[in-house]
Amino acid sequence: RKEVEQDPGPFNVPEGATVAFNCTYSNSASQSFFWYRQDCRKEPKLLMSVYSSGNEDGRFTAQLNRASQYISLLIRDSKLSDSATYLCVVNIPRGKLTFGQGTILTVHP
Amino acid sequence: GAGVSQSPSNKVTEKGKDVELRCDPISGHTALYWYRQSLGQGLEFLIYFQGNSAPDKSGLPSDRFSAERTGGSVSTLTIQRTQQEDSAVYLCASSLQGRNGYTFGSGTRLTVV
Repeated sequence: RKEVEQDPGPFNVPEGATVAFNCTYSNSASQSFFWYRQDCRKEPKLLMSVYSSGNEDGRFTAQLNRASQYISLLIRDSKLSDSATYLCVVNIPRGKLTFGQGTILTVHP
Repeated sequence: GAGVSQSPSNKVTEKGKDVELRCDPISGHTALYWYRQSLGQGLEFLIYFQGNSAPDKSGLPSDRFSAERTGGSVSTLTIQRTQQEDSAVYLCASSLQGRNGYTFGSGTRLTVV
């Protein structure tokens, strides 16, 4: 089983749609969780950290369920500029940062 | 510096040659990671530094790969006797304590011909 698993997609949605990505992780000792986005031929950039209480940043909402070892990202009112690969990232204490394979999102007019 | 700096940005080398890739993390960041990404693939973990020590070297693909970090700052990744399958983008990331996320450099695109 992969340490971090994501549905690779691709997700093709129209502008204005709401889209949700899911991610599961296998190491119960994981303590830090993030969503990154990666544009084509660019480095990953931090989108948001994920906290146990859930957190929101504008149109983006992240949720963490420790019992189920599950992380989600919700994007509301999708924009063309949201098209990218979204990476679920998990860190264990004093351990390596582990990336999922990424979920590809394409937002079309 | 303001961000993570990697050099060179592009490197073309002949098969069998050695290459050295450099990463200059954000000042004060103690954690440093090396990853590589082949075209259309996910990020492959190589090695992780906490300060100058490397608690996890499990991702280095073979003994041709080595990395060091001196003074808790700059890190170099060395690939000896390069092979065509080493062609990829090599990414470096650094963090202060990890909980606030990691900042990536723009990578070194290595092409072995």
